[in-house]
Amino acid sequence: GNSVTQMEGPVTLSEEAFLTINCTYTATGYPSLFWYVQYPGEGLQLLLKATKADDKGSNKGFEATYRKETTSFHLEKGSVQVSDSAVYFCALSKTGNQFYFGTGTSLTVIP
Amino acid sequence: ETGVTQSPTHLIKTRGQQVTLRCSSQSGHNTVSWYQQALGQGPQFIFQYYREEENGRGNFPPRFSGLQFPNYSSELNVNALELDDSALYLCASSLDRGSTDTQYFGPGTRLTVL
Repeated sequence: GNSVTQMEGPVTLSEEAFLTINCTYTATGYPSLFWYVQYPGEGLQLLLKATKADDKGSNKGFEATYRKETTSFHLEKGSVQVSDSAVYFCALSKTGNQFYFGTGTSLTVIP
Repeated sequence: ETGVTQSPTHLIKTRGQQVTLRCSSQSGHNTVSWYQQALGQGPQFIFQYYREEENGRGNFPPRFSGLQFPNYSSELNVNALELDDSALYLCASSLDRGSTDTQYFGPGTRLTVL
């Protein structure tokens, strides 16, 4: 079946540190891959997406590359800020009528 | 364009009762999906509606049902509530039902079942 596995948190980083949140997926064929972010007290927001192999999604300094050979979609940011503190969810969609989410990774950035 | 809204924000029910949660999609979005998010977990897909018809269902029992209306609003109904139904319920609307379409989430309804 389809599923997403992401690294467990919580993750605590100092401001300007490098961030990687790992995400691997299981799916047949070519799913679309997403990263969503949930800021404290807010709903989920799309951060970035990639719809085919080797695509790179990017937004607000975050990047993730769709790697079919390793079935991965790791989220990276070169220099995190306090305002990046949130919960990050990796997700996939195979047919469009069902999204599969990971369990979320909580990130706290300290000044 | 307005965002996705949900009502109520919080709700407390007792076991065995029935509940209706409401969602208003973004204008022009003909697809709405509902999710259950337990504490500390990712959202679990309940079902999706496309142009007022069910277009996919996750692993939830039939006591979870839904409706979508022509005015971009939708409902999630849960009968015979159980304690494990306590969760944050999210709706998400999208322009269409394709796998590449971005889902726009509402803030959620926090349901507590006592």
